[in-house]
Amino acid sequence: NFMLTQPHSVSESPGKTVTISCTRSSGSIARNYVQWYQQRPGSAPTTVIYEDNQRPSGVPDRFSGSIDSSSNSASLTISGLKTEDEGDYYCQSYESSNQVFGGGTKLTVL
Amino acid sequence: QVQLVQSGAEVKKPGASVMVSCKASGYTFTSYDVNWVRQATGQGLEWMGWMNPNSGNTGYAQKFQGRVTMTRNISISTAYMELSSLRSADTAVYYCARRFSGSSRFDPWGQGTLVTVSS
Repeated sequence: NFMLTQPHSVSESPGKTVTISCTRSSGSIARNYVQWYQQRPGSAPTTVIYEDNQRPSGVPDRFSGSIDSSSNSASLTISGLKTEDEGDYYCQSYESSNQVFGGGTKLTVL
Repeated sequence: QVQLVQSGAEVKKPGASVMVSCKASGYTFTSYDVNWVRQATGQGLEWMGWMNPNSGNTGYAQKFQGRVTMTRNISISTAYMELSSLRSADTAVYYCARRFSGSSRFDPWGQGTLVTVSS
C-alpha cells in the first residue's frame, strides 16, 4: 500500500493564500481520485474537495484542488483566508478497496 | 437530509469488545458502502474497513483483520462495527461514513463515537 504525506502544519495571515500538499509515496497520484477534508475541533470531517478538484455545493470557491504528476502530489489551495478556515485538513485516496489518509495538516490563520 | 447518526460513548475494559452502530437516513441505505474510520486524541484519521450493505461483503484494513467485524441490519438502515480484544491503544473516536463508489469520497460522516478503553 502507498502513503500520503502532508506537512504537519501551515500558517498564514487572513486574506492571503495557502497551499497544502499531499504527496503519494508510490503509484501515480493521477491513478485514483484525491479528496480533501476539513476537520474543526470536536467535529467530524467534511468534504471541501472531491475527485481531485471538485467542490461540493456550499464550499466557497476560495477552495481549489489540483494534482501534479511531476511531483506525484495533490494540492489544496485556499485563497482569501478567513479565520473560520482554521482547522485540520486531510487528503485521502485509495487503491483497490483500501483507503488511505494523509497524516493531516493543521492550518492556522493568524 | 442525508445523515448518519451513531450510538453513544462507550467505556470498556481491556480485553472486552465494543459495538458501535451507525443509522442512515435520507438515502437508500443499500446503495452505498459504509466505511469506518477512527481517530485517537490529537492524531490523524485511520481507515478501518468497509461494508457493502446490499451484499454484506466486507473488507478490512490489515491492521484490524481478525479483530473487527462490520455488519448491517437492512430493515433499520443501520451499520455496525464491532472491535474485539480491546486495548488502551484502541481509545479513539470512531466514525462511520458513506462512500461514493466512483471517487471514494466519504460523505457524510457520522458524528463520531468515543470509545474509551481503561481498566
